[in-house]
Amino acid sequence: GAVVSQHPSRVICKSGTSVKIECRSLDFQATTMFWYRQFPKQSLMLMATSNEGSKATYEQGVEKDKFLINHASLTLSTLTVTSAHPEDSSFYICSARDSGPETGTYSYEQYFGPGTRLTVT
Amino acid sequence: QKEVEQDPGPLSVPEGAIVSLNCTYSNSAFQYFMWYRQYSRKGPELLMYTYSSGNKEDGRFTAQVDKSSKYISLFIRDSQPSDSATYLCAMSAGGNKLVFGAGTILRVKS
Repeated sequence: GAVVSQHPSRVICKSGTSVKIECRSLDFQATTMFWYRQFPKQSLMLMATSNEGSKATYEQGVEKDKFLINHASLTLSTLTVTSAHPEDSSFYICSARDSGPETGTYSYEQYFGPGTRLTVT
Repeated sequence: QKEVEQDPGPLSVPEGAIVSLNCTYSNSAFQYFMWYRQYSRKGPELLMYTYSSGNKEDGRFTAQVDKSSKYISLFIRDSQPSDSATYLCAMSAGGNKLVFGAGTILRVKS
């Protein structure tokens, strides 16, 4: 159980274009999803927390107008990188917290997707 | 100073060795401690989860938390080549946010 998928797994786009990345919880409901960015040989940095039906909460230094997050349902959150530039090239990973009634002591677990490799040329 | 410090390695060990991975942290508010395994170009996979101080064992893996020293460890017994990956520690003060270490690259040689 607790599978999170991301689509696409890899994307190459030209500078100035926008790219949408989807994050889905496949077998559980997630009122809260998280978007991370990971540069090569560096750790995951939280970009924003996505809450179903409300606005996302962005971490300090993350441009909310550049990284648009929509969490329209309990199983889907999307991250759109607008007007992408080469410096936005990175590995984007989402995670989801199981918000079902059986979370018990694992309420702080986050299940991670496989990541999306974005390359902006 | 980073909130969570983790030696990036790489750490190379022979098959069958006991592996010790560690993180230190500075925020005394952290109460939840996790270890994730990440294979190349994949998302992290939760290995162990511990609340507050103490030990937790799951198969070949043992997680230890020493809050007085702000030090956590992950031990892997009888290491296998399939254990070769990057191991990330992560911590939370109880809210949504997880703070990750930089990750330690582990290589188990057969």
